[in-house]
Amino acid sequence: SAVISQKPSRDICQRGTSLTIQCQVDSQVTMMFWYRQQPGQSLTLIATANQGSEATYESGFVIDKFPISRPNLTFSTLTVSNMSPEDSSIYLCSVEHTRGGDEQFFGPGTRLTVL
Amino acid sequence: QKEVEQDPGPLSVPEGAIVSLNCTYSNSAFQYFMWYRQYSRKGPELLMYTYSSGNKEDGRFTAQVDKSSKYISLFIRDSQPSDSATYLCAMSSASKIIFGSGTRLSIRP
Repeated sequence: SAVISQKPSRDICQRGTSLTIQCQVDSQVTMMFWYRQQPGQSLTLIATANQGSEATYESGFVIDKFPISRPNLTFSTLTVSNMSPEDSSIYLCSVEHTRGGDEQFFGPGTRLTVL
Repeated sequence: QKEVEQDPGPLSVPEGAIVSLNCTYSNSAFQYFMWYRQYSRKGPELLMYTYSSGNKEDGRFTAQVDKSSKYISLFIRDSQPSDSATYLCAMSSASKIIFGSGTRLSIRP
């Protein structure tokens, strides 16, 4: 399985500011995914990030609020823009299994609190 | 109706008991079925993965899929306190994964 790291592991931010979350994988992967997990809830896919193309956003998520970069096959960033307390959540990146199955491997997550 | 339904628990059982965790789903297009374990303040960890009806065993864990009933289960034998976590079922079709809401499990020593 891939080893995935995220930075920061947690942060407390003020309303109206933005935070960029980094995701680093120890091997090259085609697709990277960004999820949100709100307190007591399951995982909700925000967007899929492919290297060399624009991210594909799920219904309810827009690029202006959650811009994503994917500069190479091992790295991606998610920015949470103009934050409000409703953005307080755990943000997780994941990658698909290298043997081509649908299962995904997750990073440790970034716990964001917006005051 | 949600595509994937999972009892949120919490479920508390004594150490050594057999645990049964279940999910139902409505989308017959789902082809792959997974169980993830998530410890507090950690990312989900893949436990089991299967794509066919029937049972798949890995140590103390058994995943069961019944496609005709749209029902999947995870059994944990000889449960240990270290099994205390939230268990998420997940299923996918064409690389899109839908997660259940998770069941919080606590194993009492």
